[in-house]
Amino acid sequence: GDSVTQTEGLVTVTEGLPVMLNCTYQTAYSDVAFFWYVQYLNEAPKLLLRSSTDNKRTEHQGFHATLHKSSSSFHLQKSSVQLSDSALYYCALSLYNYAQGLTFGLGTRVSVFP
Amino acid sequence: DTTVKQNPRYKLARVGKPVNLICSQTMNHDTMYWYQKKPNQAPKLLLFYYDKILNREADTFEKFQSSRPNNSFCSLYIGSAGLEYSAMYLCASSRLGGRFAETLYFGSGTRLTVL
Repeated sequence: GDSVTQTEGLVTVTEGLPVMLNCTYQTAYSDVAFFWYVQYLNEAPKLLLRSSTDNKRTEHQGFHATLHKSSSSFHLQKSSVQLSDSALYYCALSLYNYAQGLTFGLGTRVSVFP
Repeated sequence: DTTVKQNPRYKLARVGKPVNLICSQTMNHDTMYWYQKKPNQAPKLLLFYYDKILNREADTFEKFQSSRPNNSFCSLYIGSAGLEYSAMYLCASSRLGGRFAETLYFGSGTRLTVL
């Protein structure tokens, strides 16, 4: 079946420094979309980024990610983190044409320190 | 308004007793989902309704039931709770738009503790 791997459970970073969260995936399908969801404490997960186009950079709220099908990756990056970026980040994939929801990774918790 | 509401926020249940969790959305979305989230595990899809059609995952088929009396509401029902059901339950909805992979809108979750 499909799977999403996020290698870091916890990432600690100093405010103003860059951060990269790794996401790799396995799927037998070619018609797939990829997502980053962010969940702040005591809030619902919400969409941060989505992409289905190979080698195209997608940006939102200062974060960016590029889907690389050649390496099966969709890493999330930000050049300068803020304290408010402290949250749980999920990478996920979804198949086109099927209402099957999302396959999630384990999530990466980001803690930003002043 | 992109809001999915879940009630209650916290729920205590006794082993062997039934549990019913409620979710609602006002976006007229076609599909509603239930996910189970345990510590150090990825959110796991339990089931989803596409319109009036219920789809349950094979490995949780017998453990969870659901109903969707109208487009806005969806419930998750556990007939006899066991300790292993303790988890966060996330409801989500999406508009299935043809070839577009869905963006899911999530509720804040119900934390179920079975004692």
